[in-house]
Formats: sequence, structure tokens, C-alpha cells
Amino acid sequence: QVQLQESGPGLVKPSETLSLTCTVSGNSISTDYYWGWFRQPPGKGLDWIAIIYHSGSTYNNPALKSRATISVDTSKNQFSLKLSSVTAEDTALYYCARVRSGYFYMDVWGKGTTVTVSS
Amino acid sequence: EIVLTQSAGTLSLSPGEGATLSCRTSQSVFSGQLAWYQQKPGQAPRLLIYAASSRATGIPDRFSGSGSGTDFTLTISRLEPEDFAVYYCQYYGGSPPIFSFGPGTKVDIK
Repeated sequence: QVQLQESGPGLVKPSETLSLTCTVSGNSISTDYYWGWFRQPPGKGLDWIAIIYHSGSTYNNPALKSRATISVDTSKNQFSLKLSSVTAEDTALYYCARVRSGYFYMDVWGKGTTVTVSS
Repeated sequence: EIVLTQSAGTLSLSPGEGATLSCRTSQSVFSGQLAWYQQKPGQAPRLLIYAASSRATGIPDRFSGSGSGTDFTLTISRLEPEDFAVYYCQYYGGSPPIFSFGPGTKVDIK
């Protein structure tokens, strides 16, 4: 059974870089899926950040103006997110998810990790 | 950019009733990339329907999806107590291609 687990600091200072890692278990990351990051601000809906294929091909949400960098480490079966120049608006519950290629739906999600941006 | 609209913010219904949730896209889309998710408080989203009408693994058959073009529907034939939750529609595509989510419809107990 595929499981995803997010990890990273829960508190980040304004203007700094948020860094999260998603560890995949039960499934090699080098299969025909994309792997993605999504977030949900408190009390709000879902937003997309970025997705990556194991080859390194990426798609980013242009609304984030190149602040997001997604990467993959196939040797560790992990993928990661860096979000630079964070503000209070980046405070959210961050999820990693498996994305079915071709259809682009998310069939497996991590439990999510809360990140608060505050000094 | 394709914008998804879910017309009802909240539906107040009783267990045993049917629910019809609407998702409209700002332009005609490929139904193969339209999905529906359920989210309960404190939980991650759960995939219900993909490709507009295909049920995901393990999803009860009381959930069904339909639609094409700009209008899509999630139908819950008979609400069980565990179905009271928020439901989101989602699309991937457009130019440039992005993931778009609807604002969500909350189904709560009347």
C-alpha cells in the first residue's frame, strides 16, 4: 500500500525559504506517476504548487512567480519542495500527493503538515 | 486560465436523501481530466471520481459522476452519515496547463 509522509519545519520566518520533503513508501517513485505538492490555507480550499516526474520534468503553478522549486531524489524515494521569500500568505497545510500521469488526478495523499509563517 | 465554479456553497440534507453537486468550468474541457474529491475535517482529500465518471478504487457505488463540456455533476444517491463532508472538483489543463480546484461544496446534516 502506497503511503506518503510529509516532513519539515512547522514554523518559518517571513522572507525565508520553506523546505518540505515527502517520503514515499510502498511504491517506487520511479514509476509512471507524477508527484506533487498542494496546500490549503486555514479554512480555505485547495491550491496546487508543483508536480514532478521521476525523470525530473516539472510543472509549476505560475501564480507562485517562480518561488517554488520541486525536486526528486530517486535513491531515497523522496521528493521535496522549496518555497522562497515566504509571507504570512504561505501559511497553510501542505500536502504531498501521487498524481496519475495522463489523467492528472491525485489518488494518494499524505496526511499533510502545517507550516506557519511568522517571526 | 480555466476557472471552476461550484454553485452551492453548502447543501443541508438529511441522511438517506440524495445529493447533486455541480461543477462548472469557465470553458469547455476534456472530461478525462475532471476529478472529484471528498475532504473531511482534519483529513486529506480523498479521490472519489476521475475522468468525470470513473469511480476510484474502494469508492461505494452510491457515488457517481457525470457531465461533459462545461457542466459536471457528482451525485450521491443516498447519503450515509460518513458522507457529510466538503467536496471539491478539480481539473488539469488549459494554457499553460495548471491544476484548478473548485471552491468546494459542503454537505452538512440538516
